[in-house]
Amino acid sequence: SYVLTQPPSVSVAPGKTARFTCAGRNIGGKSVHWYQQKPGQAPVLVIYYDIDRPSGIPERFSGSNSGNTATLTISRVEAGDEADYYCQVWDSFSDHWVFGGGTKLTVL
Amino acid sequence: EVQLVESGGGLVQPGGSLRLSCAASGFTLSSYWMSWVRQAPGKGLEWVANIKQDGSEKYYVDSVKGRFTISRDNAKNSLYLQMNSLRAEDTAVYFCTRGAQLSGHAFDIWGQGTMVTVSS
Repeated sequence: SYVLTQPPSVSVAPGKTARFTCAGRNIGGKSVHWYQQKPGQAPVLVIYYDIDRPSGIPERFSGSNSGNTATLTISRVEAGDEADYYCQVWDSFSDHWVFGGGTKLTVL
Repeated sequence: EVQLVESGGGLVQPGGSLRLSCAASGFTLSSYWMSWVRQAPGKGLEWVANIKQDGSEKYYVDSVKGRFTISRDNAKNSLYLQMNSLRAEDTAVYFCTRGAQLSGHAFDIWGQGTMVTVSS
């Protein structure tokens, strides 16, 4: 089965840039979606199709995808960005949606 | 307002059954793939099952195949998850989600979740 690997945690100071990686075999050939989940809340879609932002998501959120790694980038990080971030792809071989294990963002 | 509201969670003994419901409002359910996603306490997200707009295709994560059944009633704007032979490891918050075709079927709308606890 297809596996997505995310680092467990990322720490960054306010105003700096946070990068979240999502590793998967040839993930560059898949469409990657990213979700933000704050404690006690349902996840929110922040990036779809690798790079697109839903309406209402700040331009500070951006994505990229190439080779074996997809990346979510948050520029000018704010305290309110503290959350868990999950990547997701559709594995057409198994007909399964797959989530990464998630990365916890701590704003120092 | 576009909204998904889950119900039906609760405490159930191992081996028992539970049926979750998800009421959709503010959009036409029949236009979307729908999924159930769960999250065990303190753990990450796990996709459970999805169903095509007309119910003709259904897919399940291996750990629930043969035990869970996803279904929908578009006329009632409702999604369901019948869970049988429940195990302790099925304990989780279960979210109902909508797959937006224009977004690569990314899950653009989520319910607030309903808690399922499997314990004796």
